[in-house]
Amino acid sequence: AQSVTQLGSHVSVSEGALVLLRCNYSSSVPPYLFWYVQYPNQGLQLLLKYTSAATLVKGINGFEAEFKKSETSFHLTKPSAHMRDAAEYFCAVTNNNAGNMLTFGGGTRLMVKP
Amino acid sequence: EPEVTQTPSHQVTQMGQEVILRCVPISNHLYFYWYRQILGQKVEFLVSFYNNEISEKSEIFDDQFSVERPDGSNFTLKIRSTKLEDSAMYFCASSPDTEAFFGQGTRLTVV
Repeated sequence: AQSVTQLGSHVSVSEGALVLLRCNYSSSVPPYLFWYVQYPNQGLQLLLKYTSAATLVKGINGFEAEFKKSETSFHLTKPSAHMRDAAEYFCAVTNNNAGNMLTFGGGTRLMVKP
Repeated sequence: EPEVTQTPSHQVTQMGQEVILRCVPISNHLYFYWYRQILGQKVEFLVSFYNNEISEKSEIFDDQFSVERPDGSNFTLKIRSTKLEDSAMYFCASSPDTEAFFGQGTRLTVV
């Protein structure tokens, strides 16, 4: 079984500040990990993914995440927040079997203050 | 860029009615999924479909739900007799392997 915990359902940062969204996972097999972003009234857009290659993964819109096996974490960061980053962010886990389901965390709503 | 397309974007239905949510996955993808997101809650897996049959389903996916790939392009989710608690955003996704691509969702409101 796999699970994902996202600490902090709401995170608020100032424009230009560091963004840190936390994700911890549980998996009995080597995980594949994903971050998705959901803008208001829209679907889920893939930000980045970890699939057992480099542990530091760079994604779109300046986001990156680091896979830390010892901490079972896959935290999402961005050096400088922009107003357009305000959205809901979901961390998800699966395994390396093609077609396997994704298990999502509860989501973190990121608010960016001017 | 290819994308997953879902119709309708919004659906309002009366309790007890049947609804069909439609999806056109990305054409060369092999795996298809339905997920749902009740307002304010996490995204939950419903069902996965491969090689014209269900490969996995969650506890949510009971006898009221069914999926079908009636032709080479569409992938549908049918809810036979809707309940108030079926109100949610329903996402279709498709995948060539492990990375899932999501549609924009259908917001279903059962009244």
